[in-house]
Amino acid sequence: DQQVKQNSPSLSVQEGRISILNCDYTNSMFDYFLWYKKYPAEGPTFLISISSIKDKNEDGRFTVFLNKSAKHLSLHIVPSQPGDSAVYFCAARNTPLVFGKGTRLSVIA
Amino acid sequence: DTGVSQDPRHKITKRGQNVTFRCDPISEHNRLYWYRQTLGQGPEFLTYFQNEAQLEKSRLLSDRFSAERPKGSFSTLEIQRTEQGDSAMYLCAREGLARDTQYFGPGTRLTVL
Repeated sequence: DQQVKQNSPSLSVQEGRISILNCDYTNSMFDYFLWYKKYPAEGPTFLISISSIKDKNEDGRFTVFLNKSAKHLSLHIVPSQPGDSAVYFCAARNTPLVFGKGTRLSVIA
Repeated sequence: DTGVSQDPRHKITKRGQNVTFRCDPISEHNRLYWYRQTLGQGPEFLTYFQNEAQLEKSRLLSDRFSAERPKGSFSTLEIQRTEQGDSAMYLCAREGLARDTQYFGPGTRLTVL
């Protein structure tokens, strides 16, 4: 039973455009949501998070939106840069973290 | 720098051998987590510690696996009688001061031949 789902295994975006990565969850007890970026042979790097009591959090080029009624969150990256190419994981907290399977983002110059 | 180091970064072993991994978080953070990541999957929770107490273990942690955090600082994860299915990236994470974020180390890549 997958509690956190990232239904798009991959996404390609042109440099300078917006990247939108999506995530759905099933467990209403999750109180915090996080996005991580991962390069091969490295550990996940924390990007941005959002509490379940908020609907938006912004940090530079990264914005996370949370729609609790739909149990859906998304990560927006604007503008996308080639260095953003990596695998992005959505995670939800109910101590511990529950991760999705990831979305591979390719930003094309 | 995430404040978490792991050693070794890579380990190749033969099936049936025992292996031990170490995780060193910066000292003032109390909660420490172990995860495992296999190809095409996100990290999966194994176990976590509050200081030296092991508070939760997942069903993934078979009796061949044991983890310790003897002084509430560094932690070790041992796998006995390794199997090919144990091949994975083993990740350690520390909890942030606000307890709302986990910061991961670089991981230990295990290959069981």
